[in-house]
Amino acid sequence: QSALTQPASVSGSPGQSITISCTGTSSDVGGYNYVSWYQQHPGKAPKLMIYEVSNRPSGVSNRFSGSKSGNTASLTISGLQAEDEADYYCSSYTSSIKVVFGGGTKLTVL
Amino acid sequence: EVQLVESGGGLVQPGRSLRLSCAASGFTFDDYAMHWVRQAPGKGLEWVSGISWNSGSIGYADSVKGRFTISRDNAKNSLYLQMNSLRAEDTALYYCAKLGLEWLLYGWFDPWGQGTLVTVSS
Repeated sequence: QSALTQPASVSGSPGQSITISCTGTSSDVGGYNYVSWYQQHPGKAPKLMIYEVSNRPSGVSNRFSGSKSGNTASLTISGLQAEDEADYYCSSYTSSIKVVFGGGTKLTVL
Repeated sequence: EVQLVESGGGLVQPGRSLRLSCAASGFTFDDYAMHWVRQAPGKGLEWVSGISWNSGSIGYADSVKGRFTISRDNAKNSLYLQMNSLRAEDTALYYCAKLGLEWLLYGWFDPWGQGTLVTVSS
């Protein structure tokens, strides 16, 4: 089972919006709504940012939003802030190996 | 506050064994599935294994199947990962993670522990 496909890096200026894509197949992203997104700052544990495609946990800024179309899920961060600079990972339930992660996307705030 | 604290990592020779532990607090441990996720140095996240709330359902990544065994002790609020026949490619930071919703085995992970580092090298 291959990892979900994410861009290696994205960047944006403070105040701008960026979108990170996460492409899978009908056996994972396209077939289930158990898509989640995690933020990881250097040397820190991952933190849940989005679950079930588009739900935000309590305490996560509403600048973070998630969506899905077909086999591709997306994480959008609006009003970019310096503190958003981190690695972001998507994850999905799969019918085969049960859990798969994307390769990760490094977000740089210019 | 939910807390997950991993322990048991260290330097081990290829082919040897290691047992990781995760001590949980701040929630009803036996209501939730628990998982192990690892991250090799400078690399991305890789799911390793998960166990349901009552140990009735267990899953493993193909890369560890037959070598690793996940278990839990609900009386001790603890999760374990017995790792046998370790390989250099098992070198990683191993995170313990709570499933984000009750009763199911798979879903999303929230929260994660801080991880314990396993280094497999001669």
